[in-house]
Amino acid sequence: GQNIDQPTEMTATEGAIVQINCTYQTSGFNGLFWYQQHAGEAPTFLSYNVLDGLEEKGRFSSFLSRSKGYSYLLLKELQMKDSASYLCAVRDSNDYKLSFGAGTTVTVRA
Amino acid sequence: DAGVIQSPRHEVTEMGQEVTLRCKPISGHDYLFWYRQTMMRGLELLIYFNNNVPIDDSGMPEDRFSAKMPNASFSTLKIQPSEPRDSAVYFCASSLALWDLADEQYFGPGTRLTVT
Repeated sequence: GQNIDQPTEMTATEGAIVQINCTYQTSGFNGLFWYQQHAGEAPTFLSYNVLDGLEEKGRFSSFLSRSKGYSYLLLKELQMKDSASYLCAVRDSNDYKLSFGAGTTVTVRA
Repeated sequence: DAGVIQSPRHEVTEMGQEVTLRCKPISGHDYLFWYRQTMMRGLELLIYFNNNVPIDDSGMPEDRFSAKMPNASFSTLKIQPSEPRDSAVYFCASSLALWDLADEQYFGPGTRLTVT
């Protein structure tokens, strides 16, 4: 099974940087995903890490340390449209199912 | 492609009634997932199919829930009888594969179910 922890809420100013941490405990690891979910909408895929290190995709970057059971999502040059919930999800190597964290609600203020 | 399609988008029903949620996955995707999202429990996997065959239904809450996938382009999730605690947003998602390096799941818009 999976145990995934991430902060409930974060607030930041437009143009700033925010880092959302995710820690996990798993019986088998086969990758970590970050999804973005705007209020009332479906989750959409942001990033994927399976090896240690940083994956950069435009304003968004995701980092993974498998030995520490730790990941973060870095959002740079924040825009108002980045206000959303960010879900950390871990894929289990035993059954390949995704388990989601409770999500971090990010509010971007002008 | 139009993406994953779900219907209805909203459903309000009375306790004890049967509810059927529908999903059309992205064409060519071999895997279909049903999730439920609530404030209390977050996003939970209920069941998933591979090539129309149910593979893992360990997340289905109880016998009142059932899911079918009669063909590659259609799946249903049925709740009978419904209870107020079933109120949630139900998402359908599909993916090309399950274990490939970055096999993301594409989510439908969800069905917001309210049981009174």
